[in-house]
Amino acid sequence: GQNIDQPTEMTATEGAIVQINCTYQTSGFNGLFWYQQHAGEAPTFLSYNVLDGLEEKGRFSSFLSRSKGYSYLLLKELQMKDSASYLCAVRDTTGANNLFFGTGTRLTVIP
Amino acid sequence: EAQVTQNPRYLITVTGKKLTVTCSQNMNHEYMSWYRQDPGLGLRQIYYSMNVEVTDKGDVPEGYKVSRKEKRNFPLILESPSPNQTSLYFCASSPYRAGQETQYFGPGTRLLVL
Repeated sequence: GQNIDQPTEMTATEGAIVQINCTYQTSGFNGLFWYQQHAGEAPTFLSYNVLDGLEEKGRFSSFLSRSKGYSYLLLKELQMKDSASYLCAVRDTTGANNLFFGTGTRLTVIP
Repeated sequence: EAQVTQNPRYLITVTGKKLTVTCSQNMNHEYMSWYRQDPGLGLRQIYYSMNVEVTDKGDVPEGYKVSRKEKRNFPLILESPSPNQTSLYFCASSPYRAGQETQYFGPGTRLLVL
């Protein structure tokens, strides 16, 4: 089975840094994805980790520790447009490209 | 432009009236999938397909059917919709092979069943 946990809501200030955590327990692991989803819109890809460590992409970074079943998404220099839900998803090892999603973290950026 | 399209985008229907939501991708992807998204439950997989004529159940397949007769199309069929199928539906596609290839999502279909 799959169990993926994220905080439900977070609030941060424009210009600040925020870290969104994700813990997972899965029967198989073949990569972890982070997506951004604005209200009523489709999820869009942010980052991918399959090995331990930090992946950096501009203002966004994602970290993975496979031994701890833990990942985080780090957003720097927050902008108002970063207000959105952030979805953590784990890919299983069945051979298909199936993703299992957490319930998402709704981030509100305040001035 | 590489994209996944869904139709209709919004639909209000009544219990028991069969409906089909279409999904099409122009990226020649082998893998396609349907999700539903409900408040507090996140994205849950309904059905997926690894290639033409190959489909399998996801986590919440009850009340849904799919078909994959062509590589680009993956329609979702609700034979007898019920109010608990009111939801936001997303279709997604990706290359079949595992790797850092992400899934590309369609714009979503908001369904209300009365």
